[in-house]
Amino acid sequence: DIQMTQSPSLLSASVGDRVTINCKASQNINKYLNWYQQKLGEAPKLLIYNTNNLQTGIPSRFSGSGSGTDYTLTISSLQPEDFGTYFCFQHNSWPLTFGSGTKLEIK
Amino acid sequence: EVQLVESGGGLVQPGRSLKLSCAASGFTFSDYYMAWVRQAPTKGLEWVASISYDGGSTYYRDSVKGRFTISRDNAKSSLYLQMDSLRSEDTATYYCTRYVMDAWGQGASVTVSS
Repeated sequence: DIQMTQSPSLLSASVGDRVTINCKASQNINKYLNWYQQKLGEAPKLLIYNTNNLQTGIPSRFSGSGSGTDYTLTISSLQPEDFGTYFCFQHNSWPLTFGSGTKLEIK
Repeated sequence: EVQLVESGGGLVQPGRSLKLSCAASGFTFSDYYMAWVRQAPTKGLEWVASISYDGGSTYYRDSVKGRFTISRDNAKSSLYLQMDSLRSEDTATYYCTRYVMDAWGQGASVTVSS
């Protein structure tokens, strides 16, 4: 199974900050990497698919990058509504696996 | 608008069965793989099972193989998850998702407890 190691697990940042969240796969996942945002009591929302493709309706301050085993989600200028938990997800091979999540708090 | 609406959750005793349903609308259901993802209380996300366009291929995580069955009815635009021999560790919110997890339902809560 491919393990997805996500870091940090907790992140506290201020409005306007540039924020990065990392995800490391235990083997090459060929850019089949999605990023999700989840708020308490809600279903996850897709932000980025296949490493760097912005999902329709998602603000352009969100971006993704990476290749091989290392991937990054960047929020260029943090907004108050960006609080929540962020998950990476690999769909390169079965079983599909998620990262353990990064809880983003707004200072 | 893409909509996925789960139903069938509830409280069930260990060892018993439960069947979840998901009604899809707003897209051509038969054009997509579908999947179930679960989330235990205060925990992360866990992929459970996926099914191909016509149901001919199915995929499961090891911990549910032989106990859970994913199926679909394209004529009814519906996805199902038959869960047998339920265990306490299956307690979670179960989400119906369109592959590759670009659309999610609101979730169905399953609690396995005596």
